[in-house]
Amino acid sequence: SAVISQKPSRDICQRGTSLTIQCQVDSQVTMMFWYRQQPGQSLTLIATANQGSEATYESGFVIDKFPISRPNLTFSTLTVSNMSPEDSSIYLCSVEGWGASGYEQYFGPGTRLTVT
Amino acid sequence: AQRVTQPEKLLSVFKGAPVELKCNYSYSGSPELFWYVQYSRQRLQLLLRHISRESIKGFTADLNKGETSFHLKKPFAQEEDSAMYYCALRAAGNKLTFGGGTRVLVKP
Repeated sequence: SAVISQKPSRDICQRGTSLTIQCQVDSQVTMMFWYRQQPGQSLTLIATANQGSEATYESGFVIDKFPISRPNLTFSTLTVSNMSPEDSSIYLCSVEGWGASGYEQYFGPGTRLTVT
Repeated sequence: AQRVTQPEKLLSVFKGAPVELKCNYSYSGSPELFWYVQYSRQRLQLLLRHISRESIKGFTADLNKGETSFHLKKPFAQEEDSAMYYCALRAAGNKLTFGGGTRVLVKP
């Protein structure tokens, strides 16, 4: 299993500013994922972050808006840039690890972002 | 592209009654399907996966490739089953695609 922590747990930010969310894992993992969960909606994958290479972004998400760093196998950051109220969401970090019955994804507690 | 659909946003049942959460998917490859659960104030966690074909907390789910479904069932719901449930499909690149989620409320 993997234990994931995220900082901050929540924040209220003004439009036009940027926020960097940190994700720390208690073990070395190859792939880390960043998801967004908008109010009342499901989880949507933003990007996959691999150590030593550029993140791979899903359709509708771009690096300029959501730059990602992955400096080592236990840590990643997601920045939400030039924020607008539409960016108000919960942002989740996840990793894939070996569970009791095979590979599964483990999720962080999320970062609740409100943009005013 | 893959897609996961959960038609019910809310299921409200009485304690001891059966509960079934529907999940349908579309995917051109061989699917790997999961049910994730999020209890109040807890993080999202895996409930069960179709490969293991096991019962977890009394829940079972069977993959029906003909109907492209992976419905979650429990014969006797308990109050502690109240939570948000997400069906998810694992595709190439280990990426998960989630359904919209179903909130289950078990009334005493």
